[in-house]
Amino acid sequence: GAVVSQHPSWVICKSGTSVKIECRSLDFQATTMFWYRQFPKQSLMLMATSNEGSKATYEQGVEKDKFLINHASLTLSTLTVTSAHPEDSSFYICSASPTGERIQYFGAGTRLSVL
Amino acid sequence: DAKTTQPNSMESNEEEPVHLPCNHSTISGTDYIHWYRQLPSQGPEYVIHGLTSNVNNRMASLAIAEDRKSSTLILHRATLRDAAVYYCILRDVWSTSGTYKYIFGTGTRLKVLA
Repeated sequence: GAVVSQHPSWVICKSGTSVKIECRSLDFQATTMFWYRQFPKQSLMLMATSNEGSKATYEQGVEKDKFLINHASLTLSTLTVTSAHPEDSSFYICSASPTGERIQYFGAGTRLSVL
Repeated sequence: DAKTTQPNSMESNEEEPVHLPCNHSTISGTDYIHWYRQLPSQGPEYVIHGLTSNVNNRMASLAIAEDRKSSTLILHRATLRDAAVYYCILRDVWSTSGTYKYIFGTGTRLKVLA
């Protein structure tokens, strides 16, 4: 199957700093990628839809100025958590799907810890 | 939005079959039923999907009720590596780009006993 890669897999940062997470589709092009957040023992929550060449679409309640999404190419989307605070500590996961496929392929996730 | 209901947790003995149920009484006629599973500290992985007919693949089988208001994921012989959270998802509305987005429910945490 198709492969989606996330980097880094784990990051620790100080409160007030910004963190960038990359999501790459390794063997296919993706005009759309999705970003999720998952707190411990909870389900995945869709944060936003990343669209290549246009603005991301954010789910209700997700601050777009806090979680900046850039989909610069057909194989790369980035999520930047700006001015991170301890409550932003979570597991962030991206997904993408080759054109015409019904299956979503997920990255391995990025665990963010904000001190 | 179509929603799914799954038991919070289930247990199975190793080498035995497991039937994971999912209720989706508000499913629309064009919703596909997808199953994914998430192992600890990993992203979800695809298991199987179907529309109306039962489906089989190397990982599992999917049995869909005739009225499509429920489905069951069947693992024929559970192994310890099958311990995970299993999510039943109805493919939700189109995103602006025309790609379907997923809305995850709470899922079923499967524990496999040796």
